Amino acid sequence: GAGVSQSPRYKVAKRGQDVALRCDPISGHVSLFWYQQALGQGPEFLTYFQNEAQLDKSGLPSDRFFAERPEGSVSTLKIQRTQQEDSAVYLCASSGRQRGVQETQYFGPGTRLLVL
Amino acid sequence: ILNVEQSPQSLHVQEGDSTNFTCSFPSSNFYALHWYRWETAKSPEALFVMTLNGDEKKKGRISATLNTKEGYSYLYIKGSQPEDSATYLCASHPDVTGGGNKLTFGTGTQLKVEL
Repeated sequence: GAGVSQSPRYKVAKRGQDVALRCDPISGHVSLFWYQQALGQGPEFLTYFQNEAQLDKSGLPSDRFFAERPEGSVSTLKIQRTQQEDSAVYLCASSGRQRGVQETQYFGPGTRLLVL
Repeated sequence: ILNVEQSPQSLHVQEGDSTNFTCSFPSSNFYALHWYRWETAKSPEALFVMTLNGDEKKKGRISATLNTKEGYSYLYIKGSQPEDSATYLCASHPDVTGGGNKLTFGTGTQLKVEL
């Protein structure tokens, strides 16, 4: 079946521009996660949804970052007034169970964002 | 150990060599450990989810062990092939009450298998 998809795959933005990154999770998956991977680092948690509810947004680095999942399926990560330090790969993952700590998180290919 | 740490950072081996890498994680508040393989321009691929101390899992030529008391996991690749070239990431999953469902990743081990 189809895996997690993300779009765009690559995005170049000018500093100060707003960007929106899309994630299509595996159909029927309840949980959705966003991670940010800066160059030379491992992925770092940004936020977590269970259906349409955003249960944890402790990893969002500033109030310029906003995520939503209005119908409990597709999610959008929005970054306002982008800065150079926002340049990173943004990964989306989904998993099936509501509190599946042992459940595998299935990742998309990521969106590589470059802010000039 | 406060964070998830992986070693070595990178590794070059010859085709046919067996190799292994280490993941260290906080042993307190532990719930699960995940291993992923990430090839360039592709999605990270889940290899294993491990929870029990002493657990050992195998998938083809790749296997992993887990020691939750001392906070480490080893990933082994037997008879490395060029298609094994990738970055191998481990991620710790803390206790549900303490950390929710988020994964804490190491920085990865980059493996290059040469002919």
